Amino acid sequence: DTAVSQTPKYLVTQMGNDKSIKCEQNLGHDTMYWYKQDSKKFLKIMFSYNNKELIINETVPNRFSPKSPDKAHLNLHINSLELGDSAVYFCASSGAAFYGYTFGSGTRLTVV
Amino acid sequence: QKEVEQDPGPLSVPEGAIVSLNCTYSNSAFQYFMWYRQYSRKGPELLMYTYSSGNKEDGRFTAQVDKSSKYISLFIRDSQPSDSATYLCAMTPRAGTALIFGKGTTLSVSS
Repeated sequence: DTAVSQTPKYLVTQMGNDKSIKCEQNLGHDTMYWYKQDSKKFLKIMFSYNNKELIINETVPNRFSPKSPDKAHLNLHINSLELGDSAVYFCASSGAAFYGYTFGSGTRLTVV
Repeated sequence: QKEVEQDPGPLSVPEGAIVSLNCTYSNSAFQYFMWYRQYSRKGPELLMYTYSSGNKEDGRFTAQVDKSSKYISLFIRDSQPSDSATYLCAMTPRAGTALIFGKGTTLSVSS
């Protein structure tokens, strides 16, 4: 049973399109995150979200928006996709008690 | 200066070698320190985490944190070809806040 699952695993789309990536966790964690991993493997935080607070990395374009229908889900919407958005996007979650953070397997986004 | 510095390598060692991976950081507020392993086209997998300074051992892996020097290390003993992966250090001031990652070190262990 996958702890943090993301869909789709691969996404190829044209510039200018709008797309969404879904994330679900079954760990009962309070906080979820979206990370972007570039071609050099650097993982950069985009958003942190729990049921009380959304923290946005100020460098993230406002074309990116997280949406959380409930505590177990955090989806990522991207409007007007650009070539530079091509990357691997990882969802992660953590609980109030610290046992490390659990990552999903990633969504590889390619914008053509 | 970046918050977390990590030598990207690549690092190539023969099977059985002891591997030392390191990160330095600038933010003295960091309290939780983690090492993740990432295989090609997979998600980061938590290897070890430590709170504050000290050592932690798990099988062939030992994590060390020296907060006075703002320096953390991961040692891998008796390295195996299956250890070939990218190793990422990560840290955060408190639970429930975003992890800040180093750039990752790519390790290759040859048999």
